[in-house]
Amino acid sequence: QSVLTQPPSASGTPGQRVTISCSGSSSNIGSNTVSWYQQLPGTAPKLLIHSNNQRPSGVPDRFSGSKSGTSASLAISGLQSEDEADYYCAAWDDSLGLWAFGGGTKLTVL
Amino acid sequence: QVQLVESGGGVVQPGRSLRLSCLVSGFTFSHYGMHWVRQAPGRGLEWVAVIWYDGSNKYYGDSVKGRFTISRDDSKNTLYLQMNSLRVEDTAVYYCARDTWSLDYWGQGTLVTVSS
Repeated sequence: QSVLTQPPSASGTPGQRVTISCSGSSSNIGSNTVSWYQQLPGTAPKLLIHSNNQRPSGVPDRFSGSKSGTSASLAISGLQSEDEADYYCAAWDDSLGLWAFGGGTKLTVL
Repeated sequence: QVQLVESGGGVVQPGRSLRLSCLVSGFTFSHYGMHWVRQAPGRGLEWVAVIWYDGSNKYYGDSVKGRFTISRDDSKNTLYLQMNSLRVEDTAVYYCARDTWSLDYWGQGTLVTVSS
């Protein structure tokens, strides 16, 4: 099982707002920044959010990230069909000395 | 523009070795730490290894520790992953990625299939 815990699936209709959670511990999310990745079908992962809540250039402001304690969340507002993808959270784990990924959340746009 | 291009994947028998390469361009390679991340068919992302920008530190995931070695050649702008004692469960697409306290650029991946 993954060090970081995400729900395996999420869904929403076009225009809706959805959130994806990522739960960790004091040695990873609690003490390091969280990043989020989007993986469209058949493609390499792409950085979506870094430093908990910062969007790289080119990422729409519909995507936002937050962190509180040992948990983090990714929110997608104004859901679009092209947002259908797998989403992963990640953070360095100080105790384990490794980069931890969440198990991934498959987002379906209904 | 930043580019990362993996190569070296293929079909290999269990117990054999393989070396992956990641040729980078568009940035000063020696200034950045680099990662390898893999994804087994139909599965999620699994972090494999990281090497510091100056090669001074290397860390590995538990499933590859003692079998895989990450290295870099700054003169060739190339990151490597030496994979020894390969197992069927190492079958995956292997990605290299640049480290900026997040993995901000990724390659397209190279497929490694371990099968007899």
